[in-house]
Amino acid sequence: DVKVTQSSRYLVKRTGEKVFLECVQDMDHENMFWYRQDPGLGLRLIYFSYDVKMKEKGDIPEGYSVSREKKERFSLILESASTNQTSMYLCASSSDRVKSSGNTIYFGEGSWLTVV
Amino acid sequence: AQSVTQLGSHVSVSEGALVLLRCNYSSSVPPYLFWYVQYPNQGLQLLLKYTTGATLVKGINGFEAEFKKSETSFHLTKPSAHMSDAAEYFCAVLTDSWGKLQFGAGTQVVVTP
Repeated sequence: DVKVTQSSRYLVKRTGEKVFLECVQDMDHENMFWYRQDPGLGLRLIYFSYDVKMKEKGDIPEGYSVSREKKERFSLILESASTNQTSMYLCASSSDRVKSSGNTIYFGEGSWLTVV
Repeated sequence: AQSVTQLGSHVSVSEGALVLLRCNYSSSVPPYLFWYVQYPNQGLQLLLKYTTGATLVKGINGFEAEFKKSETSFHLTKPSAHMSDAAEYFCAVLTDSWGKLQFGAGTQVVVTP
């Protein structure tokens, strides 16, 4: 069974803390994504990566960075957490060429982050 | 740029009644469209997707959606709602070849006995 695992489901952090959200996929997927989910706004893309060591900004990258040192792991980093980053964070992965191969995009269970 | 609009942030249906969730898209290229469901405290699960070919797409749990190019719509339906259908539903369009998605704002479905 395919799996995208977000190790931390619920976190409470203080303003100014550095926060790491980890995502691991076991499907040998090339592509990985971080989304943020907020009520009434749906999911918005923060960062994505199409290969190891590669990263690209999504629609709302401000205040975030990412790391992809290994193919299976994609980390989202909040350098200095702020209260407006309280949200649900979802990681996703897909194999290469979703469009041409019709492959599915898989999501993790989500990480609920509260910044106080 | 591609975008998705979901009409209605909350929908209440009676158990056994038709479920209809509306999704309209904007795309300059032939769209690849998805419906995802999110149960409380869980991630997103794929219900169905439209890529090419048959415009009526059948998914899991009795859901189906019809792609209508002339109306730029991809509405989701289920003939008879079940209590277990209570969840949030997201419509999304693929914005590149590798898996980037543009999501609608979501529709929360409540099923009443």
